[in-house]
Amino acid sequence: EAGVAQSPRYKIIEKRQSVAFWCNPISGHATLYWYQQILGQGPKLLIQFQNNGVVDDSQLPKDRFSAERLKGVDSTLKIQPAKLEDSAVYLCASRPGTRLGTQYFGPGTRLLVL
Amino acid sequence: GDSVTQMEGPVTLSEEAFLTINCTYTATGYPSLFWYVQYPGEGLQLLLKATKADDKGSNKGFEATYRKETTSFHLEKGSVQVSDSAVYFCALSDYIGTYKYIFGTGTRLKVLA
Repeated sequence: EAGVAQSPRYKIIEKRQSVAFWCNPISGHATLYWYQQILGQGPKLLIQFQNNGVVDDSQLPKDRFSAERLKGVDSTLKIQPAKLEDSAVYLCASRPGTRLGTQYFGPGTRLLVL
Repeated sequence: GDSVTQMEGPVTLSEEAFLTINCTYTATGYPSLFWYVQYPGEGLQLLLKATKADDKGSNKGFEATYRKETTSFHLEKGSVQVSDSAVYFCALSDYIGTYKYIFGTGTRLKVLA
């Protein structure tokens, strides 16, 4: 079974530029999560999708971050404009819709904002 | 709200030493509990899980038991190897309208040969 795919793996941009990350979840997984992981910390949820609908975006900085999940499969996360404090690893994870389903993570995208 | 607290690192051990990483949680419902491991430059990998009280999760020599009475899920391994060096995250999943995950801050383990 293929895992969660993410691209790019690394990105370096200057502040005020825009950037987009892509995630392809495990086939059939209804729930998709985007997390931000700052160095030395645990993952912090940014947004959670159930199929193609948003179920939780309470911690997403909506003035600069946006995300979509077209057709309930792939997802993109965008930052525009980026700030220095956005430097982090952005993790995508997916989970089946069953009660005992487990969340699986992709390799992450490491973003450095200069 | 729900939370996870795990011991601060780094934890430095010699090869073949016994490992314990403490994790406690608070939850309003009946959460599932997880340990994830993160190797340098990689995403989080599920190490083990337990879905109800007294369940024991195990994998690759690691074990953790879901203790409802002490709200704990401590990670143990009898004999660590250099290859176990990584960051370990304790997490819970609780149903709050949807399945939400709460992670601890992570504990870095360094095993010396």
